[in-house]
Amino acid sequence: DIQMTQSPSSLSTSVGDRVTITCQASQDISNYLNWYQQKPGKAPKLLIYDASNLETGVPSRFRGIGSGTNFTFTISSLQPEDIATYYCQQFDTLPLTFGPGTKVDIK
Amino acid sequence: QVQLVQSGAEVKKPGASVKVSCKASGYTFSDYHLHWVRQAPGQGLEWMGWINPKSGGTNYAQKFQGRVTMTRDTSISTAYMELRRLRSDDTAVYYCARALYRSRGGFDAFEIWGQGTTVIVAS
Repeated sequence: DIQMTQSPSSLSTSVGDRVTITCQASQDISNYLNWYQQKPGKAPKLLIYDASNLETGVPSRFRGIGSGTNFTFTISSLQPEDIATYYCQQFDTLPLTFGPGTKVDIK
Repeated sequence: QVQLVQSGAEVKKPGASVKVSCKASGYTFSDYHLHWVRQAPGQGLEWMGWINPKSGGTNYAQKFQGRVTMTRDTSISTAYMELRRLRSDDTAVYYCARALYRSRGGFDAFEIWGQGTTVIVAS
């Protein structure tokens, strides 16, 4: 199975700050990588697909880049409504696997 | 609008089975793979498998092979996930999720999610 790791596991920062989350795959997954946002008690929401494509309706402050084994997710200016856990997910190889998540909080 | 509506919460005893439904609306049900993903309390997301609603073909994560069956009824645009021989560590929220594209054969993002079904396994 492809193992996905994320760092950090959690972060606490201020409104307006830039947030960066990294996701690493245990083997080359090309650009077969998606990012999700999950708020407490809610289903995950797709933000970024194919490593860098913004899902329709998602604010442009969210951005994803990367290919191969290393990927980065960025929120350019954190907003209060961005408090959530963020997951990466690979779809290169079965089983489809998720990273462990990064919890983003406001300081 | 496009949505997936899941069945209600379940409480089961160890060793029992549970069957969760996922009703699709707002799009052509047979055009997109449907996946099942679960989340144990306070834990991350775990992919269980997919069903191709057009063919009925399935692909299960090895972890669940032999215990899970995914089916569909195209006449009512509904998919089902049955998990057997339940254990306490099957306690989780179970989500169905629709693939982003029609043409990727399940290797895809999860664009539309159901609201989740809580399954509690306890004696």
